Amino acid sequence: GAGVSQSPSNKVTEKGKDVELRCDPISGHTALYWYRQRLGQGLEFLIYFQGNSAPDKSGLPSDRFSAERTGESVSTLTIQRTQQEDSAVYLCASSFRGGVARETQYFGPGTRLLVL
Amino acid sequence: AQSVTQPDIHITVSEGASLELRCNYSYGATPYLFWYVQSPGQGLQLLLKYFSGDTLVQGIKGFEAEFKRSQSSFNLRKPSVHWSDAAEYFCAVAPYSSASKIIFGSGTRLSIRP
Repeated sequence: GAGVSQSPSNKVTEKGKDVELRCDPISGHTALYWYRQRLGQGLEFLIYFQGNSAPDKSGLPSDRFSAERTGESVSTLTIQRTQQEDSAVYLCASSFRGGVARETQYFGPGTRLLVL
Repeated sequence: AQSVTQPDIHITVSEGASLELRCNYSYGATPYLFWYVQSPGQGLQLLLKYFSGDTLVQGIKGFEAEFKRSQSSFNLRKPSVHWSDAAEYFCAVAPYSSASKIIFGSGTRLSIRP
């Protein structure tokens, strides 16, 4: 497949556990974005990676959230000590270059996280 | 602060009828404006975007949107909807071309009446 892929597609966890979400961007895309979509709401920006530049982490809601990306490949979003309010769909997107306005973002199908 | 408002949470239209989804933004300058569609079981897809120039923008799937600076609006339209248009529609704004953040509205769910 040539699109953005995410795994797992669904994740159920217990409050207090750590979870790791994975995103495989489109090959050759230098920019990668993570968003959170709570039920009935729009997408909230979480973090942005562009090539080897320092990531823009300004959207991460707390220090329990972190993300990594190695080069221009896979990214992982980690949520430590999950809380029930972390329940949401986590969406990943990639684009050929950075800049959400000039470059089309291609979205993955998302990971649906449920924290019990 | 930048914001995007989609006043209609849920709209139902009959198949073949025209459609207009409303979007208003709050931003000092003219931002970059987008409409995305999220179909059941599918990822978000860009329908169209406005940067500058002609205020009427054509997108995919027969959609268009009109930028009205005086009203701070960017409404999405389609002359005749199809059952396959049932989905969630999101308006979004970015402040400048190299921005890393895009601000989404809360979405409008479109249902199609047979």
